[in-house]
Amino acid sequence: GAVVSQHPSRVICKSGTSVKIECRSLDFQATTMFWYRQFPKQSLMLMATSNEGSKATYEQGVEKDKFLINHASLTLSTLTVTSAHPEDSSFYICRGQEGAAQETQYFGPGTRLLVL
Amino acid sequence: AQKITQTQPGMFVQEKEAVTLDCTYDTSDPSYGLFWYKQPSSGEMIFLIYQGSYDQQNATEGRYSLNFQKARKSANLVISASQLGDSAMYFCAMRGGSGNTPLVFGKGTRLSVIA
Repeated sequence: GAVVSQHPSRVICKSGTSVKIECRSLDFQATTMFWYRQFPKQSLMLMATSNEGSKATYEQGVEKDKFLINHASLTLSTLTVTSAHPEDSSFYICRGQEGAAQETQYFGPGTRLLVL
Repeated sequence: AQKITQTQPGMFVQEKEAVTLDCTYDTSDPSYGLFWYKQPSSGEMIFLIYQGSYDQQNATEGRYSLNFQKARKSANLVISASQLGDSAMYFCAMRGGSGNTPLVFGKGTRLSVIA
């Protein structure tokens, strides 16, 4: 099946620094990329939806200036956590979708972010 | 708006037995899709099974089957012949309408398989 790679898998950073997370679709064109966040023992919460070449649509309560999403190509989307703080520590996971078909959607393996 | 409800925070099942994980949903969209994912401790989301709202038959994938009861708005996951490796979090999710709409997830059920 199709694969979405996500890097880094784990990152530890100091408070105040920025962290970039990359998601790449390896054998399909991700026209849409969804970014989710998952706190320990909780469910996945949608942060934003991005369509290739367009600005991302953020969910209510998600700061667009803090979580910068770039989806400049059909195979790469990035999430940058700017000026990270300990409360941003979480599991971030992307999901790529090709077109509108329900079945063609694939998760990346996720990134564990720990902000000290 | 879509809503997914998983009422079982945790479940235990004996190895080789079958187990049903409950999921109910709410949506006003006539067309929607229902998904089940397995999330082991590594965090990756493993796709298990998909059911479309217009599918006439219940979906099956190996040991996984989805008991789809549209009138009751339920989409329970049945795992047959449980294995120790099935121990994980299981999430029910829904996507309403068509196009590039996101998945909405339930809170999940932690399944523990006992030897």
